[in-house]
This record gives sequence, structure tokens and C-alpha cells, in this order.
Amino acid sequence: DAGVIQSPRHEVTEMGQEVTLRCKPISGHDYLFWYRQTMMRGLELLIYFNNNVPIDDSGMPEDRFSAKMPNASFSTLKIQPSEPRDSAVYFCASTHLQGHTEAFFGQGTRLTVV
Amino acid sequence: AQSVTQLDSHVSVSEGTPVLLRCNYSSSYSPSLFWYVQHPNKGLQLLLKYTSAATLVKGINGFEAEFKKSETSFHLTKPSAHMSDAAEYFCVVSVGNQGGKLIFGQGTELSVKP
Repeated sequence: DAGVIQSPRHEVTEMGQEVTLRCKPISGHDYLFWYRQTMMRGLELLIYFNNNVPIDDSGMPEDRFSAKMPNASFSTLKIQPSEPRDSAVYFCASTHLQGHTEAFFGQGTRLTVV
Repeated sequence: AQSVTQLDSHVSVSEGTPVLLRCNYSSSYSPSLFWYVQHPNKGLQLLLKYTSAATLVKGINGFEAEFKKSETSFHLTKPSAHMSDAAEYFCVVSVGNQGGKLIFGQGTELSVKP
């Protein structure tokens, strides 16, 4: 398996634009997580899914953020409209078996909103 | 509530000397614990994991950690630091009763001097 695949690797966008980040989890994993990493806050869990269903979205900062998982092999994180304070590295991770195994992380998407 | 505290935000050692990165956790349930490493501008890689088997866990690159329930600790150690160990290290607890939700510590930056 190629691991967790995120795209794009880098995104630069203007304030107010819509941004969509994509993630392909490892085949067979039934949990998918979206994290945001900044210098100020470290790694924050935004939302996670189990069997494509959102379980906990309490970490999603605002209504401008939304996430979907239409099927077991694809998830998106959308920011609309984007703001400079959304600039961060966004990681997707997947795992299985209720947390007793490790999560595998993608390489991340570095988002810069100017 | 589950939480994890990394006691040092930055640790500096000389090459060839021992490494100790400290982590304390709080969990109402029997936890699964992990250490991840992140090299600059890279994703997160699993170093080792504890999932209620042996309390002394060996990981990659010569790292190991010991689960001490009485002290609620899971410190990461390595007998002899290498320059390539310079990175950020995250202690992570998995909330088993919440379907694998991962709680990250704030991270410890390890510097290795020649």
C-alpha cells in the first residue's frame, strides 16, 4: 500500500477563496482523522470518521470548515472562505481496530492563505 | 478526561549521550500510548507503541519507552543520541472508548550537538 495520500502538498491561496484538501486513507482502515499543525497550537484534531461517518467534529474551528467522507477511500476538508489564520499544515491519518493500533499519517498539506 | 503532557518543550543533548524525553498521561481507561517523530517539513512517523502487552517497548532507531502505571508515565529513551535523531517528538494517548481518538502532547524538540 502507498500509505495515506494527501493532495495537494502545498497550497497558496488568497483570503476569501475556497480551499479543498484531499485524503486517501490506507485501504482497509476504518478510521480517518484530520489534524491541523501550527507553531502556536501544535497538533489539533479537527474531526474524525469511523466507517465514513463523522464521529467527533468538536475540533473544527468554525463553520467555515467542513469535512466529508463520501466513501471509504476518500475524504475532503474544505475551508470556505479561507482566512490568513488558517495557514497551517493539515495532516490526514488513518487507522483501524479502535485505536489499539497506530495511526498512519500522510505527508501533510501546507496551506498558506495570503 | 484523557490528556498527555510532555514535560519538556526542548531537550538538547550531545551526540553519543543518552536521550530522555518525558511524557505523563491521564486516562480513565487502560490507554494505548505511542511516540511519534517528525523531522523538519516531514510527516509523522511511529517510533513505538504500548498496547497493554510488555511494559518495556522497543521501537525503531534504538528508541524504547517504559509504561509505568503507578507514575502514569511513558518516557522515551535512547542510550546514545545520533545527529539524525534531531527532530520533534510527540507522545500520544489513544482514547479507546472514543473509537481511537488520538490525543497529542505539545511535542518535544530534540537537538543533538556534535
